[in-house]
Amino acid sequence: GQQLNQSPQSMFIQEGEDVSMNCTSSSIFNTWLWYKQDPGEGPVLLIALYKAGELTSNGRLTAQFGITRKDSFLNISASIPSDVGIYFCAGQPRGGSNYKLTFGKGTLLTVNP
Amino acid sequence: AAGVIQSPRHLIKEKRETATLKCYPIPRHDTVYWYQQGPGQDPQFLISFYEKMQSDKGSIPDRFSAQQFSDYHSELNMSSLELGDSALYFCANSRGDNEQFFGPGTRLTVL
Repeated sequence: GQQLNQSPQSMFIQEGEDVSMNCTSSSIFNTWLWYKQDPGEGPVLLIALYKAGELTSNGRLTAQFGITRKDSFLNISASIPSDVGIYFCAGQPRGGSNYKLTFGKGTLLTVNP
Repeated sequence: AAGVIQSPRHLIKEKRETATLKCYPIPRHDTVYWYQQGPGQDPQFLISFYEKMQSDKGSIPDRFSAQQFSDYHSELNMSSLELGDSALYFCANSRGDNEQFFGPGTRLTVL
């Protein structure tokens, strides 16, 4: 099946620093999504990317859909303590009714105030 | 804005018991997905429905079944529960093939 390699697994940064995380896949995805999950809660959608090469921002977040359709990155600028959580990339294929998401293993972000 | 509602939020069952998890969708979001997330794991796709018909199936045990009703809410039925079924279960909604919005999850603990 399709697998997503997400890195890094964890990051410890100081408040105010910028963060970058990425996902790569052996398969092509037609949609890339980035979610943030707090402990015991559901994943919250941060950014959705639909076109190869697309660069999208949402406040301090910026994400890009790789030109090969096999990768994506998420940048967080000027991190703040509430950015703490687990960030997941997810890929969505397209074909028939197959829209299930395949998730990366997550990046645990810790921000030291 | 209305979000996905899941109930119950927490459920404790004994081995071999049954459980029913419910998902109430965002208005006009016709596709529902169920995911299972074990401790420290990423969410794994179980099953999905579009317009009340099963649209895709993932790693869902035969002991589990699900359906989507005429009002678009969905239920995940789990029988002969095992210790390994303890996990967070998420329902997600989308409008067709658009982005999926997740509910807050049901934490199932099997003792």
